[in-house]
Formats: sequence, structure tokens, C-alpha cells
Amino acid sequence: QVQLVQSGAEVKKPGASLKVSCKASGYTFTSYGISWVRQAPGQGLEWMGWISVYNDNTNYAQNLQGRVTMTTDTSTSTAYMELRSLRSDDTAVYYCARDRGGNYGMDVWGQGTTVTVSS
Amino acid sequence: SYVPTQPPSVSVAPGKTARITCGGNNIGSKNVHWYQQKPGLAPVLVIYYDSDRPSGIPERFSGSNSGNTATLTISRVEAGDEADYYCQVWDSSSDRVFGGGTKLTVL
Repeated sequence: QVQLVQSGAEVKKPGASLKVSCKASGYTFTSYGISWVRQAPGQGLEWMGWISVYNDNTNYAQNLQGRVTMTTDTSTSTAYMELRSLRSDDTAVYYCARDRGGNYGMDVWGQGTTVTVSS
Repeated sequence: SYVPTQPPSVSVAPGKTARITCGGNNIGSKNVHWYQQKPGLAPVLVIYYDSDRPSGIPERFSGSNSGNTATLTISRVEAGDEADYYCQVWDSSSDRVFGGGTKLTVL
């Protein structure tokens, strides 16, 4: 079946970097993009950015430009999201989601990765 | 930046119809998707492209989008529909953005 499986929970110190992985299975990885979405405790969903697996084009949310990088490895059908210079307000659950493009929504989601940033 | 607005909460009795709105300037010209999220779980896409339903989503869920308001309608509401619902807008200038979410309470 189609699924996205994310890496495990992380605890980071302020100023550190984070890299979350998202392994896809059950579909042709290069036919879809991947969006990353985060959710701070008790808060709503925040779109972080999107990467085309086909050509590695990226669109990042303005408030994360310069701190976030999204990449893919087609040999392992895995997407990655790296966030640098972590702050306490980066504490959140991070999700990857299959995203073909603006007309189709995010139709398959990973289980989420809990990230805690604390000194 | 474009930020769609949702009511924080909506309450409905079982068997009735729930309507959750997503407002924004000329939102009718943009693509709107809707997600259901239950506590501790990842979101689930329930409506895409304003009014299309992914496979496996009950026909009780429907969507519309016109003017300055998009609406998610849930007919014959069941206890299991209690969740947070988020609209997500896409357009070429703002890319992807979520509304603030609406908590649906089934009385």
C-alpha cells in the first residue's frame, strides 16, 4: 500500500540542525512531489515547503527561507527536510505528505516526527 | 501574504448538517482542499480541488467554493466526524497556505 514512513523523534538544542527523513513506498516516487508541514503543540498546520521529486525544484515558505532545505534521494525513494539554527518555537510535529501539485492536495501523509528544541 | 480564515469552532447534533467555512479575498479563484485531523493522528485529505472526494471518503463530505468563501459540508454528522478541519489554499502567488482550523464538536 502507499505509505510514507518518517524517522523517529528528536531532541535538539537551540542553534543545532535537524534532518528528518520520509521514505516512500507503494507508488512511483518520481511522479509526485513532497510537501513538509509542521504543527506546534496545540496549534494549527503550517506549510513549510514543497519539492518536486522529478526535477528537485523547491518552493519554501517565506518565513523559513534560508533556514530550510528539502532534498530527495530517488535511489532509496526518500525525501529529507533539514532545518538549521533551531529555536524553541521550532518545537513541533513535522509531517511529510505526498503532493502532486496545487490542484490535488496532499493525499498521503507520514506518521509525523516529534521534534523538541530545548536547552 | 494570503491567510484563509476559519471559525475556531462549530457544533452540530448527530444526524444534522455541519458547514465549515474558509474565507479569503476572491478565494473562489483559488484551489481549496480540506483535511480532517483527529487527536494524535496525521491529517487526512477529505476534499480536494474545491469539491472532489478522494477514494474512501464518504459521500457525506462535500465542498463548494465561490466568491470569498469556500465551504466544507458534512451531512448526517456522526460522532466519528468530531475532529479538527483545515482548509488549504493554493494559488500561484501564495503557494500553499492553511487556514487556522475549525474544531467540529458533535453534541
